[in-house]
Amino acid sequence: EAGVAQSPRYKIIEKRQSVAFWCNPISGHATLYWYQQILGQGPKLLIQFQNNGVVDDSQLPKDRFSAERLKGVDSTLKIQPAKLEDSAVYLCASSPFGGQQLAAEAFFGQGTRLTVV
Amino acid sequence: AQKITQTQPGMFVQEKEAVTLDCTYDTSDPSYGLFWYKQPSSGEMIFLIYQGSYDQQNATEGRYSLNFQKARKSANLVISASQLGDSAMYFCAMRGSYNTDKLIFGTGTRLQVFP
Repeated sequence: EAGVAQSPRYKIIEKRQSVAFWCNPISGHATLYWYQQILGQGPKLLIQFQNNGVVDDSQLPKDRFSAERLKGVDSTLKIQPAKLEDSAVYLCASSPFGGQQLAAEAFFGQGTRLTVV
Repeated sequence: AQKITQTQPGMFVQEKEAVTLDCTYDTSDPSYGLFWYKQPSSGEMIFLIYQGSYDQQNATEGRYSLNFQKARKSANLVISASQLGDSAMYFCAMRGSYNTDKLIFGTGTRLQVFP
């Protein structure tokens, strides 16, 4: 079974530029998460999709971050314009179930390391 | 609101010894799940073990066991017979039944195993 795919692996941009990350979850997984992990910290949930609907984006800085999940499969996360403090690893994860599936393990991609200079 | 607290920024353990990584949580959800993940220096998040809030027994997976004390709201990870390859960041995470399946993480503990 193929894992969660993310691209690019690394990205360096200047502040005020735009950047987009792509995620392809495991086939059939209903739930998709985007996390931001700043160096030395735990992953912070930015947005959670269930199929193609947003179920939680309370910590997404909506003035600069946007995300979509097309047809309930692939997802893109965009930052426009980027700030220095956006430098982090952006992790995508997916879970096989939607709804009340407490034990559903989240499978993670390898992440995209973003450096804003 | 849900919250996960990991108070140990770093831990050292000698090879072949056991080590306990602490995790406390706070939630108002009547049922919830607790997870531990390992993150090596390569960056991937590796699922280790799961404990459901209504599970009668503590979870075990090979050398990993979860010391679940519901009244104290703690879910400590015990690694027995540590190996050099266990050196990594370890994150405790929680999902609540009423919180839209949101999976939240603690700040992590860096474990270093020395020979």
